[in-house]
Amino acid sequence: EVQLVQSGAEVKKPGESLKISCKGSGYSFISYWIGWVRQMPGKGLEWIGIIYPGDSDTRYSPSFQGQVTISADKSITTAYLQWSSLRASDTAMYYCARRQCTNSLCSFDYWGQGTLVTVSS
Amino acid sequence: DIQMTQSPSSLSASVGDRVTITCRASQGITNYLAWFQQKPGKAPKSLIYGASSLQSGVPSRFSGSGSGTDFTLTISSLQPEDFATYYCQQYNIYPLTFGGGTKVEIK
Repeated sequence: EVQLVQSGAEVKKPGESLKISCKGSGYSFISYWIGWVRQMPGKGLEWIGIIYPGDSDTRYSPSFQGQVTISADKSITTAYLQWSSLRASDTAMYYCARRQCTNSLCSFDYWGQGTLVTVSS
Repeated sequence: DIQMTQSPSSLSASVGDRVTITCRASQGITNYLAWFQQKPGKAPKSLIYGASSLQSGVPSRFSGSGSGTDFTLTISSLQPEDFATYYCQQYNIYPLTFGGGTKVEIK
């Protein structure tokens, strides 16, 4: 069974660093892109970026480029999203999702349960 | 970036109604479009990919159509479990972008 299990909720102060995780299981982790999506309270979905664990090829939305870092450790089938200096505006739910493609037709077919990040002084 | 515009932003409907949601891309994306359903407090769920292909396990009352810039998601007969927010997403080019969402509420 394909599963993406995310790390637990975090409460941080502005300026602190943070790394949240997304562990994949039940499939070949290195063969599928993993994307990250932000959802601010009461708002819609925003695409942050995506990584291919097989070779660590990473793409970012310009809105998030330089603000976050996406990485993956294929030895433990885990993808990460990290911040070096959090802001209150980073308060949101963050989801990881696996990208499945068949003949160039793609979707994010499996999603993690989400990690709630709260940044407050 | 490709902008995705959904309409309406919300709608009220009754069980059994036929519901149509529209998604328009700011430039052509061929059929590289997906639809997702999200219920409160839950992760999004994939419904449609490739504009019209049904994700495995999704009921056949959901269908998608369109190509180029204009797309639709149709629920042929709305069920109680379908009350949720629906999002389109283009994956023709990076950055991938979502529409603003359509909230389907009970009438």
